[in-house]
Amino acid sequence: QKEVEQDPGPLSVPEGAIVSLNCTYSNSAFQYFMWYRQYSRKGPELLMYTYSSGNKEDGRFTAQVDKSSKYISLFIRDSQPSDSATYLCAMGTNAGKSTFGDGTTLTVKP
Amino acid sequence: DVKVTQSSRYLVKRTGEKVFLECVQDMDHENMFWYRQDPGLGLRLIYFSYDVKMKEKGDIPEGYSVSREKKERFSLILESASTNQTSMYLCASSYHRGTGELFFGEGSRLTVL
Repeated sequence: QKEVEQDPGPLSVPEGAIVSLNCTYSNSAFQYFMWYRQYSRKGPELLMYTYSSGNKEDGRFTAQVDKSSKYISLFIRDSQPSDSATYLCAMGTNAGKSTFGDGTTLTVKP
Repeated sequence: DVKVTQSSRYLVKRTGEKVFLECVQDMDHENMFWYRQDPGLGLRLIYFSYDVKMKEKGDIPEGYSVSREKKERFSLILESASTNQTSMYLCASSYHRGTGELFFGEGSRLTVL
C-alpha cells in the first residue's frame, strides 16, 4: 500500500470552475505538505507549502490540510486554461525526503 | 531564481550502454536528489546526497549509481542500461534538509532500445 494516495483523474473542467484535488496519506510522521504543478515536458514547480492543519491561501489557490483525517486538498478558484497541468501532492518528515502522489492531470477548457 | 540544469533533455541509448545524466544547480544548495517519473508510479527517489562525496540510497537504487564530486553537481549513472530504465529522470535540489522544498530541473527523457 502506498504511503500517499492521490485522486487519479484525469480531470476536465470548464474555465471558471472550482477545482478540488485530493490526497490521503498513511504516515502520521509527515510534518510538511506540498503541492507541485508540472506542465507538459517540464519539471515540477512548487505551488503551495504548509506545515500545519488548516487552510493556506495564495491568490486563486487554497491548500487545506487535515492531519486528524490524514487528508490534504488543493482548491483552485476561477480556473483558467493556463492551470492545465499535472498536480502532484507531496509530503515529508524533517529527515528531508519527500514522498509524492502519482499526480492528477487537470484540463481547463476555454 | 534557483536554476537546476540537466544536461540532456532527450537521450536514446542501447541496452548495455553506460549512461551518464548530469545535473548542476547554481544556488549553493546542500541537498540534491535524483527521481524517476513513470505513468501510474509517480516520482520515485533513486539516490540523494546531503553533502559533497556523500550519497544515500533512495527507494529504487538498483541498477543506478551516483557521483557528487562538487557541491553543485550530481550525476546519475546507469552502468548497463536496460529497457526497464526507459523513463523521465528528474534532478532536484533543496537548501533546507528538513523542509522538503524541492527545485526541479526540466527532466531528461531516456529511451533504452
